[in-house]
Amino acid sequence: DIQLTQSPSFLSASVGDRVIITCRASQGSRKNLAWYQQKPGKAPKLLIYDASTLHSGVPSRFSGGGSGTEFTLTISSLQPEDFASYYCQQLDSHFVFTFGPGTKVDLK
Amino acid sequence: EVQLAESGGGLVQPGQSVRLSCTASGFAFSGYHLNWVRLAPGKGLEWISSISSNGDDKYYADSVKGRFSISRDNAKKSVFLQMDDLRAEDTALYYCAGHYFNYVGYYYYGMDVWGQGTTVTVSS
Repeated sequence: DIQLTQSPSFLSASVGDRVIITCRASQGSRKNLAWYQQKPGKAPKLLIYDASTLHSGVPSRFSGGGSGTEFTLTISSLQPEDFASYYCQQLDSHFVFTFGPGTKVDLK
Repeated sequence: EVQLAESGGGLVQPGQSVRLSCTASGFAFSGYHLNWVRLAPGKGLEWISSISSNGDDKYYADSVKGRFSISRDNAKKSVFLQMDDLRAEDTALYYCAGHYFNYVGYYYYGMDVWGQGTTVTVSS
C-alpha cells in the first residue's frame, strides 16, 4: 500500500498569508490524488482531485500541483474560514485509498 | 439537496457487532462508488472500505479486513457496514462518502459527497 506523509503537521499563519502544504507518497503513481478540508465537528470537504483540478464551488485561492511522489496544496491568500485541517488522499492501482496524516492550519 | 445520512452507531462492548447504514438522496446513487471513512479521537481520517457502483467489487483496509463487511442496496439508495469483533481501537466517528470513478483511464474524481457521520464507541 502507498504511505503518505504531509508537511508540516501544524502551521500557524495569518490572514492573507500564502500557505503551502506538501504531501509525499512512498511510491509514484497516477495522479489520483485529492485534497480535503475538515473543520471541527464537520464532514470533510473535497477541494482538489486529480492533483490539480479544483472541485466545483471551491474558491480559486486553492490550487493543487505536483506529480509522481510529491504533491502540494497552496492557499494563495489565507482567509478566516480556511483555518482547518487539510488531508491529502491517494487511490492506488488496487483500489485502496490512503489518507495523509493531516495538516492543521491555525491562527498565528 | 445532495445528502448522505448515517445511522446505527452507539456504545458497544468489545467483541460485539454493529451494523451501520447510510441513506442517500439528491444524486445518482447507483452511479457512485461508496466508502466508509472514520475519524478516531485525536487522529486523522482513515479509509475503511469501498464498494463499486454495482456492488460487485469490495475493498477493505488491512485494519478491518476479515471483521468488517460492506454492502449496498441501490433500490433503497443505501450502503451498509457490518462491523464484527469490535475492538477499542474501532472507536471513531464513521462517515459515509461517495465518489465517481471512470474505469476508462482509471480516473478518480474525489469523494465529493459526505454524510455527517455516526459515532461508534467500543468500551466495556
